[in-house]
Amino acid sequence: SQQGEEDPQALSIQEGENATMNCSYKTSINNLQWYRQNSGRGLVHLILIRSNEREKHSGRLRVTLDTSKKSSSLLITASRAADTASYFCATDRGYSGAGSYQLTFGKGTKLSVIP
Amino acid sequence: KAGVTQTPRYLIKTRGQQVTLSCSPISGHRSVSWYQQTPGQGLQFLFEYFSETQRNKGNFPGRFSGRQFSNSRSEMNVSTLELGDSALYLCASSLSTGSSQETQYFGPGTRLLVL
Repeated sequence: SQQGEEDPQALSIQEGENATMNCSYKTSINNLQWYRQNSGRGLVHLILIRSNEREKHSGRLRVTLDTSKKSSSLLITASRAADTASYFCATDRGYSGAGSYQLTFGKGTKLSVIP
Repeated sequence: KAGVTQTPRYLIKTRGQQVTLSCSPISGHRSVSWYQQTPGQGLQFLFEYFSETQRNKGNFPGRFSGRQFSNSRSEMNVSTLELGDSALYLCASSLSTGSSQETQYFGPGTRLLVL
């Protein structure tokens, strides 16, 4: 079952604008990660934020995490046409007693950046 | 380092047949996880293997199985295919050091179409 939901489901912006995507989840987490997927291909890891962190930056990406609201946001600044993709948040609860590790994904936001 | 590779990339089968998909993890990565992606259900965890042992399994019927070899390469098998098994099957590998920050690296996926 899905851990959470991304919002919006689809977003269309002009090149150069900022894009903000939100993710909500249901249970306590250890880490939250964001992935990008281009047109039905594999997932590319973008950024990981730990549950005790509130904000993290990587290049044009800024991720925030609010564990009290069980939500995260991904901001892409100065968007480019090449940013057109689907973006997924994924949460983990750390290692289980059996030593297993599992990501639970949201349904994703489809971002279109118009040149 | 080479990334995660999956073969074949595309596959067409008919109902009732079985299929085997292959995944080669990044060199040195010991954990391999499999995910199914469909438009309706999104990304769902299938199972995770570590040191040739299945450590965790998602909520899928017994028709879905897998294994891992001593070189960490993994295969998943789906028997008695159903139309609903049409999906993108993604494999991910990770170091699995027990660190609280675990990044999974995804392959390009195998797109399976069941007719």
